[in-house]
Amino acid sequence: QVQLVESGGGLVKPGGSLRLSCAASGFTFSDYYMSWIRQAPGRGLEWVSYISSSGTTIYYADSVRGRFTIYRDNAKNSLYLQMNSLRAEDTAVYYCARGWFDPWGQGTLVTVSS
Amino acid sequence: QAVLTQPSSLSASPGASASLTCTLHSGINVGTYGIYWYQQKPGSPPQYLLKFKSDSDKERGSGVPSRFSGSKDASANAGILLISGLQSEDEADYYCMIWHSDAYVFGGGTKLTVL
Repeated sequence: QVQLVESGGGLVKPGGSLRLSCAASGFTFSDYYMSWIRQAPGRGLEWVSYISSSGTTIYYADSVRGRFTIYRDNAKNSLYLQMNSLRAEDTAVYYCARGWFDPWGQGTLVTVSS
Repeated sequence: QAVLTQPSSLSASPGASASLTCTLHSGINVGTYGIYWYQQKPGSPPQYLLKFKSDSDKERGSGVPSRFSGSKDASANAGILLISGLQSEDEADYYCMIWHSDAYVFGGGTKLTVL
């Protein structure tokens, strides 16, 4: 079945970096655009970034543009999010999702704190 | 004014119907957007419910019961998620979403209580 599994979350200090990964299975990964969405503790959903199926078209939320980089490796069926210059307000569960967000992975928690 | 506005909470009785609204900013027209709806239960990731753009352009997610349906109220510039025959398992947070100006935008979510 279709499955998305995120990894790479953890505790990082302000100004630090982290790379999230999303391993996809059960579908032809290279046929789908993908996104990262995050949810701060007790808060609503916030879209972070989008990448087209080929990786040639990319969009970012204003809150992360210039600090985060989305990319993918279709040969490895994997999606990535490189996060630099992390801030306390980036603390959230980060989800990867296929297409118009169907399905979502289980999420990985990123905590930015000194 | 936010791009998408949802009431923060809604309560309804088992067996009744619940109408969840997603009001678009006055500067954009609901008629031009597909409205996507997601359900999130505590401790779980969101799940896709359905998309509604028009009666001829709509779809329900795989396995989503027909009790869930979408519509629009053009006069209110809003998308609507209708849940009929409410069950206790429908108690959850519901989010609407659109693609707007090269970005996905979520509403703030509605917490539906079934009691």
